[in-house]
Amino acid sequence: QKEVEQNSGPLSVPEGAIASLNCTYSDRGSQSFFWYRQYSGKSPELIMFIYSNGDKEDGRFTAQLNKASQYVSLLIRDSQPSDSATYLCAVNMRAWDYSGGSNYKLTFGKGTLLTVNP
Amino acid sequence: IAGITQAPTSQILAAGRRMTLRCTQDMRHNAMYWYRQDLGLGLRLIHYSNTAGTTGKGEVPDGYSVSRANTDDFPLTLASAVPSQTSVYFCASSDYAGGPYNEQFFGPGTRLTVL
Repeated sequence: QKEVEQNSGPLSVPEGAIASLNCTYSDRGSQSFFWYRQYSGKSPELIMFIYSNGDKEDGRFTAQLNKASQYVSLLIRDSQPSDSATYLCAVNMRAWDYSGGSNYKLTFGKGTLLTVNP
Repeated sequence: IAGITQAPTSQILAAGRRMTLRCTQDMRHNAMYWYRQDLGLGLRLIHYSNTAGTTGKGEVPDGYSVSRANTDDFPLTLASAVPSQTSVYFCASSDYAGGPYNEQFFGPGTRLTVL
């Protein structure tokens, strides 16, 4: 069973702090990794993706990938109350169908609830 | 540009009734997906379509069917609804499912309650 694991939280940080969200995955062959943000009652919104080992920065967000450790993380700098949401880690895993063909499917973690306190 | 639209926004349905959830995208994406999201279980894939005319089963396909007659539309049908199908349903799309670098974009969701 291919899995993606996240701490459910809640993770609570003060405004202006760095929030660190972590994710581990089981499929060593995975090649692409995504972070989605989901506000309560809304749909998931893609905020970051990372394909290569190392760091990828986009504004206040940094995604970090370590394929050897099968670990991906999301750092949010200068956290704001508007960052309060559930963050979903998703890993693109190869799936085989009954005819022997393959394609890629996203497997989601259950999400980490982040609360940024003013 | 609307992206992905879903209808209805919410629905209360009697058990045993047939229901079709609609999903339309205007991004000309090849692949489309249906997920359900339940508290404590996360997002789970129901069915997918890599391209118009093809469909496949996801993690939790029982009780659901899909069709993909064209690129834009991907309806999900519950033939005879049961209370365990109470959930929030999300439609998503991506440009291409044949490689690993396919970012998926989600519609606004349909909240379905089966009584």
